[in-house]
Amino acid sequence: DADVTQTPRNRITKTGKRIMLECSQTKGHDRMYWYRQDPGLGLRLIYYSFDVKDINKGEISDGYSVSRQAQAKFSLSLESAIPNQTALYFCATRGDRDRETQYFGPGTRLLVL
Amino acid sequence: GDSVTQMEGPVTLSEEAFLTINCTYTATGYPSLFWYVQYPGEGLQLLLKATKADDKGSNKGFEATYRKETTSFHLEKGSVQVSDSAVYFCALILDTGRRALTFGSGTRLQVQP
Repeated sequence: DADVTQTPRNRITKTGKRIMLECSQTKGHDRMYWYRQDPGLGLRLIYYSFDVKDINKGEISDGYSVSRQAQAKFSLSLESAIPNQTALYFCATRGDRDRETQYFGPGTRLLVL
Repeated sequence: GDSVTQMEGPVTLSEEAFLTINCTYTATGYPSLFWYVQYPGEGLQLLLKATKADDKGSNKGFEATYRKETTSFHLEKGSVQVSDSAVYFCALILDTGRRALTFGSGTRLQVQP
């Protein structure tokens, strides 16, 4: 089984709808991250969390919110989706022992019409 | 702010050709440097890393050397295979703060038989 899973893998929604992307990990890591990937722009940080009570904004947090329900779960919400939020979204985790390496989920492809 | 610049793709090579993907960085501190690889339909995987100047990271025949004097971390492979076709991301992380990755825009590699 994969260490970092994301659901759904693909989603089509309409402008104005609320949508939640979920991330679960079995690595026992405290640190979790949400990135979005756009063509030609690489990955950009949306939110990150160092533990259940510590959540921080990244460079592009506007229009997004997150919830860290447990150490293993970190959800990303789009309160009112807009077309320029169409992107590939990745969740990642990082542990304490290897402080440099992040482990990525398979991604969620989101299309906002 | 911190940034990573990669050569634009796509890079198209024949099997067994030599590969170089250029990466330069700008950082306010002393970053660790990474190459991540994204195969079609998958999340990112760590390919190699280097944590201090003059370190060489290597994995699966790929190499990159941390050059502080030229702020570079170029990826090389002596003989590429069709299975190396993927998108390659150069990234950095600083030793302080949120320790989230800063990515380059990615370089698509296509290897033809």
